[in-house]
Amino acid sequence: QQPVQSPQAVILREGEDAVINCSSSKALYSVHWYRQKHGEAPVFLMILLKGGEQMRHEKISASFNEKKQQSSLYLTASQLSYSGTYFCGTEYVNDYKLSFGAGTTVTVRA
Amino acid sequence: DSGVTQTPKHLITATGQRVTLRCSPRSGDLSVYWYQQSLDQGLQFLIHYYNGEERAKGNILERFSAQQFPDLHSELNLSSLELGDSALYFCASSSGEVSNTGELFFGEGSRLTVL
Repeated sequence: QQPVQSPQAVILREGEDAVINCSSSKALYSVHWYRQKHGEAPVFLMILLKGGEQMRHEKISASFNEKKQQSSLYLTASQLSYSGTYFCGTEYVNDYKLSFGAGTTVTVRA
Repeated sequence: DSGVTQTPKHLITATGQRVTLRCSPRSGDLSVYWYQQSLDQGLQFLIHYYNGEERAKGNILERFSAQQFPDLHSELNLSSLELGDSALYFCASSSGEVSNTGELFFGEGSRLTVL
């Protein structure tokens, strides 16, 4: 069962902030965030675990709300290098699958 | 360089044919995941192997099969190919059996074109 990501796309100017959400209908075991630039492989940003703390990767941070089974990725003071498609990946207990959402395409303009 | 090697990088074949995609995981990683990414689409989970054993299957077609060998490399076999099988196939490796043990390292992918 794939997580649901929103929004599908976002356009930002350099320095602006954005939030990407990732929701699940089932209790999550872990949430991963990856960024994929056009023509390249996905690259790991961070992992959030049940009961874990908010994580950071440069000026990108993420949180995990266990009550809502939702994770949010925060792009702060966006840079041109943040452009790409962001995917959240989720795994459920005893599932052994890391399933990805449909992705959120982020475009940062100068 | 993620340390995950996939071959071939590009493959063009005809409908009805069979192909094998190969993946060598990072040194020491026991888990191999396979994903399919169609044009401008998301990453569809196909299958996960851990230390030679199948751990989970996604919506993988019956025409597709995979295995992980004792040296931990993995192969994805696609048979009776159809036009809709054209996609980028990614292999990813990680150290643990479950994803909360750490990140997945993705290979550069094998781009399959079925004509």
